[in-house]
Amino acid sequence: DSGVTQTPKHLITATGQRVTLRCSPRSGDLSVYWYQQSLDQGLQFLIQYYNGEERAKGNILERFSAQQFPDLHSELNLSSLELGDSALYFCASSVRTLSGELFFGEGSRLTVL
Amino acid sequence: TQLLEQSPQFLSIQEGENLTVYCNSSSVFSSLQWYRQEPGEGPVLLVTVVTGGEVKKLKRLTFQFGDARKDSSLHITAAQPGDTGLYLCAASNTGKLIFGQGTTLQVKP
Repeated sequence: DSGVTQTPKHLITATGQRVTLRCSPRSGDLSVYWYQQSLDQGLQFLIQYYNGEERAKGNILERFSAQQFPDLHSELNLSSLELGDSALYFCASSVRTLSGELFFGEGSRLTVL
Repeated sequence: TQLLEQSPQFLSIQEGENLTVYCNSSSVFSSLQWYRQEPGEGPVLLVTVVTGGEVKKLKRLTFQFGDARKDSSLHITAAQPGDTGLYLCAASNTGKLIFGQGTTLQVKP
């Protein structure tokens, strides 16, 4: 158990819909990272927050947005879903930004039909 | 184009064999990490290498960071079925931690 909690574990929805994925980081970790993992693209960095502020942005689509709340939990919002958005979405946390180990949650598997 | 190129992509071997997987880049990194991911779980950190030429051992796993800090290798001695998984290298680039595509290892009993 990494201490990072992601919900939901599985989600099936239709094209055009909107979903929210939730992440609670390890106790004491200030940084939260979101990654997308698909078979053909591997583990792709989406976005990182540190203590509520956006720190780094990767190849995150404009249809996707994220935020980190004062209690440090984070949400990833995916809208106007397309078939190609089907993937595993991982949240990770670390104490500081880009130093040391990233602790990953078990992921949220999104299936868009 | 992947910043971190891992090879091979897939490896299927018998228990007891030795293997090496590689992580290559044209960029220089201050440090590089190796993670292992098992089905249904998130990646878990195995090791961080920092110094060019550094060698770290974790039981039967030996990690090496290239002298120029552009590449790394992971050698497994006498592989066991429990070593089965996806091995990912990762490095920091322009403020983001990026991952290679990974090497999927299957060790058959």
